Amino acid sequence: GENVEQHPSTLSVQEGDSAVIKCTYSDSASNYFPWYKQELGKGPQLIIDIRSNVGEKKDQRIAVTLNKTAKHFSLHITETQPEDSAVYFCAAMYSSASKIIFGSGTRLSIRP
Amino acid sequence: DTGVSQNPRHKITKRGQNVTFRCDPISEHNRLYWYRQTLGQGPEFLTYFQNEAQLEKSRLLSDRFSAERPKGSFSTLEIQRTEQGDSAMYLCASSSLLVHQETQYFGPGTRLLVL
Repeated sequence: GENVEQHPSTLSVQEGDSAVIKCTYSDSASNYFPWYKQELGKGPQLIIDIRSNVGEKKDQRIAVTLNKTAKHFSLHITETQPEDSAVYFCAAMYSSASKIIFGSGTRLSIRP
Repeated sequence: DTGVSQNPRHKITKRGQNVTFRCDPISEHNRLYWYRQTLGQGPEFLTYFQNEAQLEKSRLLSDRFSAERPKGSFSTLEIQRTEQGDSAMYLCASSSLLVHQETQYFGPGTRLLVL
């Protein structure tokens, strides 16, 4: 069935270092892959997304890569800052503009 | 332009009571989605509307749950005869069919605690 797996569940990095979160999806028909950041007590905030016709997308310190053959996609955050501490969710969309299937989340902590 | 808004932000109720949540989407967004998020998990899809039509419902949406979007603008989610297992964050999201229709923008959520 529809499934998105996300690793690691927790990640602690030194401020200024890079953080990488990896996800896999099960349905090869998926064509849209958003990433959300969720801070305590708030709703998920879209930080970057990628569509299946693109292999990589970058926005300042954040980049996402997609390997459709392997059904893998990853989030890369460079030069991490304290405000990057949050829970990050990868997700996949399985049909045209309808429901999103979320991963289980990665709690990212930035050590000063 | 304001984002998606949800009310109330918090709700505490006793088991067996009915509760109703409201979601106001981003202006002119055609699609509106409801998700449920339990502690330590990602959001799970419940249902979505395109304008006033409810197009898909998850099997998570038991008979005690009902959602409406009568005029194609705001939506309500009602839970009847609440159970302790209904305790969760209820999230609303909206998207536009005209621009990047896949992109869903989330509200702050309504946190429900059933005692």
